[in-house]
Amino acid sequence: SQELEQSPQSLIVQEGKNLTINCTSSKTLYGLYWYKQKYGEGLIFLMMLQKGGEEKSHEKITAKLDEKKQQSSLHITASQPSHAGIYLCGADLSNQGGKLIFGQGTELSVKP
Amino acid sequence: DAGVTQSPTHLIKTRGQHVTLRCSPISGHKSVSWYQQVLGQGPQFIFQYYEKEERGRGNFPDRFSARQFPNYSSELNVNALLLGDSALYLCASSSQGVNSPLHFGNGTRLTVT
Repeated sequence: SQELEQSPQSLIVQEGKNLTINCTSSKTLYGLYWYKQKYGEGLIFLMMLQKGGEEKSHEKITAKLDEKKQQSSLHITASQPSHAGIYLCGADLSNQGGKLIFGQGTELSVKP
Repeated sequence: DAGVTQSPTHLIKTRGQHVTLRCSPISGHKSVSWYQQVLGQGPQFIFQYYEKEERGRGNFPDRFSARQFPNYSSELNVNALLLGDSALYLCASSSQGVNSPLHFGNGTRLTVT
């Protein structure tokens, strides 16, 4: 079983619709990182969350970390085709910084 | 400013051969980590180096080794290649060992035939 579970595994939405991706850990997270990846390319850093209850936003993307620091959500408002890609959550479970455990990813398609 | 750069971008090797992958971190970053990403999965941690010392090692066989140079660039070496080593190898750098985001390069696509 995965230490970090992402859901859903894939998502197809109509342009303009809102969507949420979830990331759940069975352990307390020292840090939670959201990345976006285009197929076969590197990961693009989106946001880092470290404190329980923390919420960050960038353009139309908002990420939250729950109070217990075991679950995070990524919310996209008014989705656009440019939001399409694979979203990955990465967790620092051992406070070692460079060692992240990743979920299996959520593949997002946005239909015009 | 240049991001994390990796070379080569693509590589095809035969089973049993050896491969060396290279990574240059963002200027000023002292921590470099290596990850393996198999198609359809999230990246898996291989190594972390900080200030030229190994800080962590993932669950990979001894065929995998790495090092970090005085200029903070890094090499990942894989010996006795297996078909299962075919993957995208990602390098990431960060300014500190902890509490700072990893910035990834575009990876090296390794195909073992």
